[in-house]
Amino acid sequence: SAVISQKPSRDICQRGTSLTIQCQVDSQVTMMFWYRQQPGQSLTLIATANQGSEATYESGFVIDKFPISRPNLTFSTLTVSNMSPEDSSIYLCSVEDLKYEQYFGPGTRLTVT
Amino acid sequence: DAKTTQPPSMDCAEGRAANLPCNHSTISGNEYVYWYRQIHSQGPQYIIHGLKNNETNEMASLIITEDRKSSTLILPHATLRDTAVYYCIVRVFNDYKLSFGAGTTVTVRA
Repeated sequence: SAVISQKPSRDICQRGTSLTIQCQVDSQVTMMFWYRQQPGQSLTLIATANQGSEATYESGFVIDKFPISRPNLTFSTLTVSNMSPEDSSIYLCSVEDLKYEQYFGPGTRLTVT
Repeated sequence: DAKTTQPPSMDCAEGRAANLPCNHSTISGNEYVYWYRQIHSQGPQYIIHGLKNNETNEMASLIITEDRKSSTLILPHATLRDTAVYYCIVRVFNDYKLSFGAGTTVTVRA
């Protein structure tokens, strides 16, 4: 299984600012995903990030708010832009292996004040 | 639109088998049943998946009914570390989207 790390593990940010979250995988993967988990809720897929192409966003999520980069097969970033308290969530990245099993990172806990 | 139905919570005794039910009555022929769990403050962890045959790995067993409308995840000897939210998800094998429902909060008690 893939080993995934995320930075930062947590942060407290002021409204109106932006935060970039990094996701690093210990092996090359084609598909990487970004999820959001709001307090007390389940996970919601934000977007899919494939290397060499623009990210594909799910309904309700837009590139201006959540720009994503995927410069190579082991790394991706998600930026949460112009933050408001409603963006306070855990943000998780995941990857899928050739057996169609997804593995998740530990998450980034974001609090917006 | 939820594709699976799970009980919101269940308790089980440490050392006993935990049987977690999942209803997926509208499952399509090309959809697999996946199970994940999320221990508090951690990312979800893959457990097991199957199509129609029963599956077993080092973590759990998955029993799928013959009509595929329901399944049961079995943790053979539950430990306190198995306390988590367990998610039953159906997905087309090569469709990456995982739609997480509310899951079942499992509490293992000593």
